[in-house]
Amino acid sequence: DIQMTQSPSSLSASVGDRVTITCRASQDIGNDLAWFQHKLGRAPKRLIYTAFSLQGGVPSRFSGSRSGTEFTLTISSLQPEDFATYYCLHHSNYWWSFGQGTKVEIQ
Amino acid sequence: EDQLVESGGGLGPRGGSLRLSCVASGFRFSYYSMTWVRLAPGRGLEWLAFINTVSDVKYYAGSVQGRVAISRDNAKNSLYLQINSLRGEDSAVYYCARDNWMDVWGQGTTVTVSS
Repeated sequence: DIQMTQSPSSLSASVGDRVTITCRASQDIGNDLAWFQHKLGRAPKRLIYTAFSLQGGVPSRFSGSRSGTEFTLTISSLQPEDFATYYCLHHSNYWWSFGQGTKVEIQ
Repeated sequence: EDQLVESGGGLGPRGGSLRLSCVASGFRFSYYSMTWVRLAPGRGLEWLAFINTVSDVKYYAGSVQGRVAISRDNAKNSLYLQINSLRGEDSAVYYCARDNWMDVWGQGTTVTVSS
């Protein structure tokens, strides 16, 4: 089974900072990766799918990129509403695998 | 608006069973495969189960294989998750999600397993 390793597990940042979160796949997964934002008590929200595609309605400060088996979610200028936990998700055939999550906290 | 609403959570006895439900609205439920995901305290999101549109393909995560059963009723726009032999580690918020790269999620229903 393909494993997803997400880092960091948490980070502290200030409003306006550029933030990057990384997921590394244990083998080549093409562009089969999505990114989600989750705030406790609310439904998780899909931000990016197929590695690069921005979900409709999601601000353009969120972007996804890929280099080989390493995928990155970038928030270009952190806003107060962006403090949350972020997860990557890989899906292929009969398997879905989330990264461990990255909690973005206010510095 | 495409929506999913879960229900059926609550306090369940260790070793007992619970049946969770998820009702869809705003979209053609029968056209989409569906999944269940959970979030346990102190842990991350965990995929649990998948069912295709006509219920003839089902997949389960190894952590719950043999103890849970996913099902659906397209006539009722409903998805279900039966959890048997409840364990402490089953205490979590359970979400249903549309399997279009999980583009639509419910708000979740909380399961607490008592000792």
